[in-house]
Parts: sequence; C-alpha cells; structure tokens
Amino acid sequence: GDSVTQMEGPVTLSEEAFLTINCTYTATGYPSLFWYVQYPGEGLQLLLKATKADDKGSNKGFEATYRKETTSFHLEKGSVQVSDSAVYFCALLSNTGNQFYFGTGTSLTVIP
Amino acid sequence: DVKVTQSSRYLVKRTGEKVFLECVQDMDHENMFWYRQDPGLGLRLIYFSYDVKMKEKGDIPEGYSVSREKKERFSLILESASTNQTSMYLCASSPSGLAKETQYFGPGTRLLVL
Repeated sequence: GDSVTQMEGPVTLSEEAFLTINCTYTATGYPSLFWYVQYPGEGLQLLLKATKADDKGSNKGFEATYRKETTSFHLEKGSVQVSDSAVYFCALLSNTGNQFYFGTGTSLTVIP
Repeated sequence: DVKVTQSSRYLVKRTGEKVFLECVQDMDHENMFWYRQDPGLGLRLIYFSYDVKMKEKGDIPEGYSVSREKKERFSLILESASTNQTSMYLCASSPSGLAKETQYFGPGTRLLVL
C-alpha cells in the first residue's frame, strides 16, 4: 500500500544553518505530495505541496521538489530561524482516493 | 480563513467511560477526518466522512465510532475508553473536488485515560 518514510529526528540546528529533511514515498500512480508543519500546541498546517513530477512547492523559504525517479520529496531551507522550530510531516494523497498517508514526523529545534 | 475547532484541548477520563470528542468546521467542507497522533507513529487515520450520515473506516477504527448528523460537525466516540487510547486526537476537514488535496486541521485534543 501507499506509505511515506521520513528521516527520524530530533534535529537540532543553529540559526541560519541549512536544513534538509528527507522524505521518500511508496505509491501507485501519481500521488500528490505535501509537507505539513505543527508548531508547539497547535494542529497541523499545510506548508507546501506538489501535485506532479518535477513540481517544486515553496513557502516561507522552504522548498521541496517532487522527484518521481527517486520517489522523494525532501524539504529544504537555506537559513533556518528560531521560529521554524516545529514538527514537520511529509504526506501523500493517493490518486485513487481521498486518504492521506503521513510520515512519522521530524522534530526540528533551532537554537540562537 | 478556514477554521476547525475541537471541543476540548485537554481531557482526562477514566477507563470504561464513554468519551465524546467534537469537531466543527465553518467552511462548508464535505470531507472530515479523525486522526490520532502518537510519538514515533505519526498520524493514523481512525475514521473519515464524505457526507452527512456517511462514514468510512480508516486504518485504526477499533474501539472508536463516529457520528456526522450535520455537515459541519464530526464527532468521535470512544464507547469504553481504555488506557491505550491515551493520545492526541486531531480533526481535519477538506473540500471536495480538486481542492480536497488540502486538509485543514484543528488544534487537537490531548486525551488522557486513567
């Protein structure tokens, strides 16, 4: 079945460091791919998405490119801030239905 | 802005109690979802609904039931709470059609079953 695997955390970075959180997926057909972010004490919010191969989603300085050849959707940011401290979830929406599949989440802490 | 609200942020119940978790969305969305979030397991889908009075089982429906009597409200019911149902519960909604790709989440209810 469809699934998402993302790198385990926690990840701790200094402010202005480069961030990569790896995400790979297994799915039939052409799913849509997402990154959601959960700030402390809050629900999940959509960060960015990509709906077809080679699409790049971007928001708030974060980027991720839908790579069908490597079945990946890695999240990157060139210079993280303390306010980026949160849990990040990779997810896919199967093209056969309405169900989302979420990764286990990666906790990011950015220290000044 | 889309708003999804959940009836409680924190809840403490005893084993065997019947527990109701309520979720309301104000954007006329057709689809609504209940997840539980546990460390190391991410989000797991319990139940979802595509329309009023309609429900579908997700990946872990055992021990839970749902009710959707009105479009804006989706309730999760723990018929007899157990300690292994201690978790964070997240409700989400999405519109139908192409826009169904974006889910909007509530703030979550952290449930402790003693």
